[in-house]
Amino acid sequence: DVKVTQSSRYLVKRTGEKVFLECVQDMDHENMFWYRQDPGLGLRLIYFSYDVKMKEKGDIPEGYSVSREKKERFSLILESASTNQTSMYLCASSLIRQGRGYTFGSGTRLTVV
Amino acid sequence: AQSVTQLDSQVPVFEEAPVELRCNYSSSVSVYLFWYVQYPNQGLQLLLKYLSGSTLVKGINGFEAEFNKSQTSFHLRKPSVHISDTAEYFCAVSDLAGTYKYIFGTGTRLKVLA
Repeated sequence: DVKVTQSSRYLVKRTGEKVFLECVQDMDHENMFWYRQDPGLGLRLIYFSYDVKMKEKGDIPEGYSVSREKKERFSLILESASTNQTSMYLCASSLIRQGRGYTFGSGTRLTVV
Repeated sequence: AQSVTQLDSQVPVFEEAPVELRCNYSSSVSVYLFWYVQYPNQGLQLLLKYLSGSTLVKGINGFEAEFNKSQTSFHLRKPSVHISDTAEYFCAVSDLAGTYKYIFGTGTRLKVLA
């Protein structure tokens, strides 16, 4: 089974800090995604990448950036963390064919204080 | 543009009773449809998917869903639920037009009562 690993399950950061969330997948998937999950709002797409060094904005990219230097790794960066970025962050990957579905990591619960 | 609506934010049901979680979608093109489950403090896991063919799709853990094109629905059902089915369930849609993104509903929290 493909595995998507997120480096931290829980993270507490201070307002203004630069925060890195790391995601690694081990099955050669072309696509990778970052979502944030908030109660009542479901999953909202922040950024996605369909190839190395390629990225596209999702629905809520403001305050975030991403990096994909290698196919297996997709990083989400909060340039200057704010309290409204306190959330659950989910990474996912998929093959380029849409019918296969996404594989998700276990999530990182980020608290910004 | 596509959208997914899960009308029920919470569904309480007694153990061994049947359950239906509703999902309606909006799209001007043909779609793929998915149901995912999220157990507490975990990521999302694929339950089942509809790509084409038979409109009744069977998934893991005894769940099934029926694709109804005329009603643009993809409701999830289980004839007899267990305590372990307590989780949040998400419906998702992806069109066949070449985008890589799925659109997710806001989720339905299923609580199975003893």
